Amino acid sequence: EIVLTQSPGTLSLSPGERATLSCRASQSVSSNYLAWYQQKPGQAPRLLIYDASSRATGIPDRFSGSGSGTDFTLTISRLEPVDFAVYYCQQYGSSPYTFGQGTNLEIK
Amino acid sequence: QLQLQESGPGLVKPSETLSLTCTVSGDSISSSNYYWGWIRQPPGKGLEWIGSIFNSGSTYYNPSLKSRVTISVDTSKNQFSLKLSSVTAADTAVYYCARLWGLVAAVIDYWGQGTLVTVSS
Repeated sequence: EIVLTQSPGTLSLSPGERATLSCRASQSVSSNYLAWYQQKPGQAPRLLIYDASSRATGIPDRFSGSGSGTDFTLTISRLEPVDFAVYYCQQYGSSPYTFGQGTNLEIK
Repeated sequence: QLQLQESGPGLVKPSETLSLTCTVSGDSISSSNYYWGWIRQPPGKGLEWIGSIFNSGSTYYNPSLKSRVTISVDTSKNQFSLKLSSVTAADTAVYYCARLWGLVAAVIDYWGQGTLVTVSS
């Protein structure tokens, strides 16, 4: 099973700043099959990025994904108030599909 | 607009079977090329993949839950269902149904709102 470790656990930033979230896999993710989701309290997650770097439909271009192999990054170029939430990565390159433990992006 | 809605008991006793149904509107399970699946999230914790099903009945289960999980589909009602047997307190979670997309049918592009199931006597 591929274990995904997200860092940092909590990231405190201000609106307008740049956020960089990391997701590291315990082994290489096949075909860079990695997705990122955003979850706000009391809501279901929302798909942001798939295949490591492709934005999902309707996702603003301030969100970008990068990386390959075992190291992946979600970058939010200029934080807006609506971006403060928990972010999860998910690998779907090998069974079982697994998620990271999440990064809590909070307002500083 | 695609919508998914979970339904089922919010409280299940230990050792019993958890049963949930997901009703899909805005798309036809029988004619779509998507997989449909279940994901859960214990309170205050991360996400766990449970399993998925295609309209043909083909299924994929998380190996850690495979011995206790059954996912089925009823195309006449445009629904799919989850059964999890021999539940314990560790199965307490918000259960989400979802549509799965992509070459390996594992990208979750639509989610239900989720339903909290508590396992307690």
